[in-house]
Amino acid sequence: AQSVTQPDIHITVSEGASLELRCNYSYGATPYLFWYVQSPGQGLQLLLKYFSGDTLVQGIKGFEAEFKRSQSSFNLRKPSVHWSDAAEYFCAVGTSGTYKYIFGTGTRLKVLA
Amino acid sequence: KAGVTQTPRYLIKTRGQQVTLSCSPISGHRSVSWYQQTPGQGLQFLFEYFSETQRNKGNFPGRFSGRQFSNSRSEMNVSTLELGDSALYLCASSIRIGGSYNEQFFGPGTRLTVL
Repeated sequence: AQSVTQPDIHITVSEGASLELRCNYSYGATPYLFWYVQSPGQGLQLLLKYFSGDTLVQGIKGFEAEFKRSQSSFNLRKPSVHWSDAAEYFCAVGTSGTYKYIFGTGTRLKVLA
Repeated sequence: KAGVTQTPRYLIKTRGQQVTLSCSPISGHRSVSWYQQTPGQGLQFLFEYFSETQRNKGNFPGRFSGRQFSNSRSEMNVSTLELGDSALYLCASSIRIGGSYNEQFFGPGTRLTVL
């Protein structure tokens, strides 16, 4: 069965510092991978996606993610975090033929001024 | 282009009642999926509708049902509400063009509280 693991429940970084959020997935074939961000009381906003091709994908708000098939990982990165990035981040996997996403448990990011 | 809209945004019901939530997808999107988000279980897939047909279903009891109309708008119904049904219910739409995979865009959610 497909699964997504986000090992870090909470991460705290200082404003201006770099950020890496980890995501590991379990799926037999090449998955469709996503990162979403959720602010309190809001829905999910798509940051970026990986379907195929270049394994380094760029997203909105200065985020990027790298797909590493050998490690079954799709980590999210940002070189310099802004206070407005404080939110909860979800990694998700979609599988061919279905629009049923499997989500990780989320990583809550806190940004220190 | 307007995003996914969900109504109502907030609902308070009592145990045993039923509730209907509504979702209007992005114009041109034909697939609508529903998710339940709770602090304990996280984000869980309920079901997906495409061309007025349920295409996929998650592991939820039959009290949870849905439908999709010819204009792609979708409704979700929960009957005989239980305390554990308190959650944020998220709707997502996708253009779902045949032969390719497409991302889902989420609405702001409906916060359901069951007393």
